Amino acid sequence: DVVMTQTPVSLSVSLGGQTSISCRSSQSLVHSDGNTYLYWYLQKPGQSPQLLIYKVSNRFSGVPDRFSGSGSGTDFTLKISRVEPEDLGVYYCYQGTHYPPTFGAGTKLELK
Amino acid sequence: EVQLVESGGGLVQPGRSMKLSCAASGFTFSNYGMAWVRQAPTKGLEWVATISYDGSSTYYRDSVKGRFTISRDNAKSTLYLQMNSLRSEDTATYYCTRGAYWGQGVMVTVSS
Repeated sequence: DVVMTQTPVSLSVSLGGQTSISCRSSQSLVHSDGNTYLYWYLQKPGQSPQLLIYKVSNRFSGVPDRFSGSGSGTDFTLKISRVEPEDLGVYYCYQGTHYPPTFGAGTKLELK
Repeated sequence: EVQLVESGGGLVQPGRSMKLSCAASGFTFSNYGMAWVRQAPTKGLEWVATISYDGSSTYYRDSVKGRFTISRDNAKSTLYLQMNSLRSEDTATYYCTRGAYWGQGVMVTVSS
């Protein structure tokens, strides 16, 4: 199985600040069809996960441009700028390139 | 508006069976592959099973293979997860998902 390693485990940020989360995969996430099926989800307390970014760098509908995804191959990053209270929760990276699909262990974003 | 509504969870004894349902609305259900993802209490997300848009292909994580069956009824826009020989480690909130859209989740507790 592809192991998704997220760092850090937790983050403490100030409102209005900027931060980033790293996600590294144990194998390249480039699919044979040329796409890279790397996604970012946010799970707010008591809620279901919500999609932020799909295929590395595409913001899902309604996601603010404060969120941006980048990376390639095995190394990916989610950047959050101008952090707002609604951004708090646990962020997960997820790969759908290889079966079984796998999630990172999560990064908890808290307020400083 | 896309909606996914799970039902069928609850408390079940080890070794017994349970069937989850997920009623979909707001999109053409028969056009999309669907999946179940679970989350044990205080833990991260774990993919369980996926089914193709027409039900012809199914995929499972190793730990549920032979015990769980994912299926769908496109005429009823409903996704199912039949869970047999349940174990304590199957205790989790189970989410029905279309990738970008998730249900609210249903809790399954396996305990004597």
